[in-house]
Amino acid sequence: NAGVTQTPKFQVLKTGQSMTLQCAQDMNHNSMYWYRQDPGMGLRLIYYSASEGTTDKGEVPNGYNVSRLNKREFSLRLESAAPSQTSVYFCASSERKNNEQFFGPGTRLTVL
Amino acid sequence: GQQVMQIPQYQHVQEGEDFTTYCNSSTTLSNIQWYKQRPGGHPVFLIQLVKSGEVKKQKRLTFQFGEAKKNSSLHITATQTTDVGTYFCAGTNGQNFVFGPGTRLSVLP
Repeated sequence: NAGVTQTPKFQVLKTGQSMTLQCAQDMNHNSMYWYRQDPGMGLRLIYYSASEGTTDKGEVPNGYNVSRLNKREFSLRLESAAPSQTSVYFCASSERKNNEQFFGPGTRLTVL
Repeated sequence: GQQVMQIPQYQHVQEGEDFTTYCNSSTTLSNIQWYKQRPGGHPVFLIQLVKSGEVKKQKRLTFQFGEAKKNSSLHITATQTTDVGTYFCAGTNGQNFVFGPGTRLSVLP
């Protein structure tokens, strides 16, 4: 089992460009999450999905969109990247909401 | 909204010394989780506490959940260099988990 995988590992964007971060899990988990991690601020929830076809906003959703394509995949899209979105992005999954979360290796995004 | 704080922000210890990090929530929690993140890595789940006053041990790690379910602590006995990393607590009041800012532990050999 690969667990939670994320692509790409690193990305550099120019302000205004768009991109999609991909996440997939092979643990048959129902819940999936997108977090961003900034120095000294822990992890902040961007969006959450309880099941295929459902998504909910987290603490910092502005500037992002998500899509739960199927039970395995949960993608995060930046439509018009801004320097404030420079961060490390982690995808996570859990069997159900509020269970143990399994994290992917992260995507390090820099917006110039 | 719900806020989760952790102290200290940083801790430097000599190998063999003990280490404690404290987690405090602005609201009563239904449960709390602890994660460890090695430098350059991703968070890894350590434990979940649910009951008021609960104490759980994992080898040299002891986790406590406060009686009022608003605070928690992680204590490491006789630290080793493998304990290096950032320790996060994450609390929920039934909605999504809110992560604390973490305590970064460095262990000097």
